[in-house]
Amino acid sequence: DTEVTQTPKHLVMGMTNKKSLKCEQHMGHRAMYWYKQKAKKPPELMFVYSYEKLSINESVPSRFSPECPNSSLLNLHLHALQPEDSALYLCASSQGPGDTTNEKLFFGSGTQLSVL
Amino acid sequence: GESVGLHLPTLSVQEGDNSIINCAYSNSASDYFIWYKQESGKGPQFIIDIRSNMDKRQGQRVTVLLNKTVKHLSLQIAATQPGDSAVYFCADRPNQAGTALIFGKGTTLSVSS
Repeated sequence: DTEVTQTPKHLVMGMTNKKSLKCEQHMGHRAMYWYKQKAKKPPELMFVYSYEKLSINESVPSRFSPECPNSSLLNLHLHALQPEDSALYLCASSQGPGDTTNEKLFFGSGTQLSVL
Repeated sequence: GESVGLHLPTLSVQEGDNSIINCAYSNSASDYFIWYKQESGKGPQFIIDIRSNMDKRQGQRVTVLLNKTVKHLSLQIAATQPGDSAVYFCADRPNQAGTALIFGKGTTLSVSS
């Protein structure tokens, strides 16, 4: 199983809503990532979890709150978002941070988020 | 910030041609490079990677070349097929603590039959 599964695939929310994006992998990977991708742009790193601990936060606004309940799951909690936060949110995993033998990221298909 | 960029935003080729997609990077501390393919509505899909101690690596129909002297990376696709139509991103990882893959701007490859 080499899949990273993201739910939901699409999400529409108002600026006062609270929602969560979910990501799951069963490859035994110990690093998980959130990227944000605007249309026709490259993915931009938001957060990295390494061994279930937050290791990188790329100065993301606090209205985005990541959570890693266990090594297979990664959530992104959303609250009081702005219309400019509308984007494709991609989850990825890799075998392990600092693992020089296998560093490639495996991506999910993303959640297309629209904030109204 | 972004450390990797691509030379051309679009590339159009005929089916059966060889395609070359180029990428320039700026961080001389980068030691790992990777190419991804992203089709519409999907997440990036791994194509091939290369470490800084190599200058060439081949996969199935794809070759990645790394020129560290001029900080240039290229992806060659042999016998391009319509199914190769997608956006191609290069990415690098600086050899520094607390870093992860940084993506370049992307090249849209269009293959006509």
